[in-house]
Amino acid sequence: SAVISQKPSRDICQRGTSLTIQCQVDSQVTMMFWYRQQPGQSLTLIATANQGSEATYESGFVIDKFPISRPNLTFSTLTVSNMSPEDSSIYLCSVLGGGNYGYTFGSGTRLTVV
Amino acid sequence: GDSVTQMEGPVTLSEEAFLTINCTYTATGYPSLFWYVQYPGEGLQLLLKATKADDKGSNKGFEATYRKETTSFHLEKGSVQVSDSAVYFCALSVSSGNTPLVFGKGTRLSVIA
Repeated sequence: SAVISQKPSRDICQRGTSLTIQCQVDSQVTMMFWYRQQPGQSLTLIATANQGSEATYESGFVIDKFPISRPNLTFSTLTVSNMSPEDSSIYLCSVLGGGNYGYTFGSGTRLTVV
Repeated sequence: GDSVTQMEGPVTLSEEAFLTINCTYTATGYPSLFWYVQYPGEGLQLLLKATKADDKGSNKGFEATYRKETTSFHLEKGSVQVSDSAVYFCALSVSSGNTPLVFGKGTRLSVIA
């Protein structure tokens, strides 16, 4: 299955600033998915990123707040913009890596906004 | 839309007890079903999966059987260990493969010695 390198693993940021999270995959994948996991909660899909087109955002998430880049088939970034304490969460990327519907996740970015 | 319902936690068990975490699903298509585990401070790891009715996924002593008639995928383990303490997520994906996973809310399991 695919292997994802996600960074940073954690960060503490000041409110009003932005943080960019990177995911590098060791193989080419069509779709990459970005999730948010708020403290003690399940995973919520933020957006689906397809190479060469704009990301598709889920209800409640907008491009101005969570811009995504997908410059090639192995890499994507998610930016959390103009952060507030409510953005404190774990952010994870995921890909469908390999056959038989095996979804792989990055190790997550634990973000704390102060 | 597609959804997953799993039993509320937290679940606390003594070591060597039997574990069941219930999971049922609603899907418009014919989904693949997954259990993921999240150990404290870590990301998600695939525990097991099943892609068609009556398939049994198994890994590390955990098992789950895809029951189409009851739309269920309950997770079981015959004898839990302290190291099994984690949050367990049931998830589904419709069979097209290019769609994201839909997760249940997660069940926190604590195993005490």
